[in-house]
Amino acid sequence: KQEVTQIPAALSVPEGENLVLNCSFTDSAIYNLQWFRQDPGKGLTSLLLIQSSQREQTSGRLNASLDKSSGRSTLYIAASQPGDSATYLCAVTRAGNQFYFGTGTSLTVIP
Amino acid sequence: DVKVTQSSRYLVKRTGEKVFLECVQDMDHENMFWYRQDPGLGLRLIYFSYDVKMKEKGDIPEGYSVSREKKERFSLILESASTNQTSMYLCASLSFVTGADAYEQYFGPGTRLTVT
Repeated sequence: KQEVTQIPAALSVPEGENLVLNCSFTDSAIYNLQWFRQDPGKGLTSLLLIQSSQREQTSGRLNASLDKSSGRSTLYIAASQPGDSATYLCAVTRAGNQFYFGTGTSLTVIP
Repeated sequence: DVKVTQSSRYLVKRTGEKVFLECVQDMDHENMFWYRQDPGLGLRLIYFSYDVKMKEKGDIPEGYSVSREKKERFSLILESASTNQTSMYLCASLSFVTGADAYEQYFGPGTRLTVT
């Protein structure tokens, strides 16, 4: 069974710092990988979707990379802001009904 | 923009009550999902549906049932609520991104259910 791990579980950084969140998965046979943001007590908001054939995707200050062969993805956040404080989850998709989520990294950006 | 709505943000029920959680999406998606999210356990799939009146069990279906009478609406039913069903419940619908050959999930705002 696919296992998805996110390390660290929590991260605290000063405002303005660039940071990297990690996601690893055990089975490289994936359709795509999706990064989400979750604010406390709320649902998940999709940030970036990377197809299995892609190496990276960018949206504003966010850049996500995918290395299927090593079972890794990273989410890079440039010039972090207090408003970036949230939990970030990654999910890999094997088929249309098979999604595997990590348990998330809780990010705090200190003003 | 895809919109997924859930009937309640917060719900408090008593043990033994029958509980209905409703989810509606406005993008004509065929696939819809119910998850529960608990600290340290992440998201766990309860049930999913790939068409009207069609459903499949996920990883933790015990104590739950679902109903999909219309394409836009997917309901989760707790037949007899118990305290261990206190959780955050998240609904999602699925889009297949043509040309990208990728699946993208869209989530609702969640329902925080407390069973006392």
